Amino acid sequence: QVQLVESGGGVVQPGRSLRLSCAASGFTFSTYIMHWVRQAPGKGLEWVAFISYDGSDKYYADSVRGRFTISRDNSKDTLWLQMNSLTTEDTSVYYCARGVAGAQYYYYYMDVWGKGTAVTVSS
Amino acid sequence: DIQMTQSPSSVSASVGDRVTITCRASQSISTWLAWYQQKPGRAPTLLIYAAVTLQSGVPSRFIGGGSGTDFTFTISSLQPEDFATYYCQQANRFPLTFGGGTKVEIK
Repeated sequence: QVQLVESGGGVVQPGRSLRLSCAASGFTFSTYIMHWVRQAPGKGLEWVAFISYDGSDKYYADSVRGRFTISRDNSKDTLWLQMNSLTTEDTSVYYCARGVAGAQYYYYYMDVWGKGTAVTVSS
Repeated sequence: DIQMTQSPSSVSASVGDRVTITCRASQSISTWLAWYQQKPGRAPTLLIYAAVTLQSGVPSRFIGGGSGTDFTFTISSLQPEDFATYYCQQANRFPLTFGGGTKVEIK
């Protein structure tokens, strides 16, 4: 079945780095736009990053631009989020999500989500 | 950035009730709006996109409406499994932004 599985979360000190992974299965990964979305404890959803089919286009939230990098390897059906210079404000559950297929720009909606991986930034 | 404002932030209702949530965008987004449901400890699920289009497999009691800056999300007859938090999301331009959420609680 269609599935996204995130990994790589954990506890990290402020200023350090972490790389999250998202393994896709059950669909043709290379034909889908992908996103990262996060949710701080007890808070709402915050979109983090977008990557195009081949990885040539990337967009970021202002809060992470310059510190986080989204990437993908279509041969491995895997999405990543490299997070550098982490702060306590980055403490969240991080979800990878698939963009909706179909009409142009529908991929800004997210129809399949992973279960998330928790990142805690604390000294 | 486009700000998305949901109201109310919470609502108490009974099974069978009609519940309506509103979402207002800080500027026109045409019909570039989605609604998601999230249950505690779970990932969000897409219910409606393009303001009115029901995602495959989603019950027809979920109804989306609106365009421009003002949108509504209605549950026509609340079911026990509908108690959750609902979020709107604009898809008009980057950065993509979500509303603050509306928690639908049992009365």
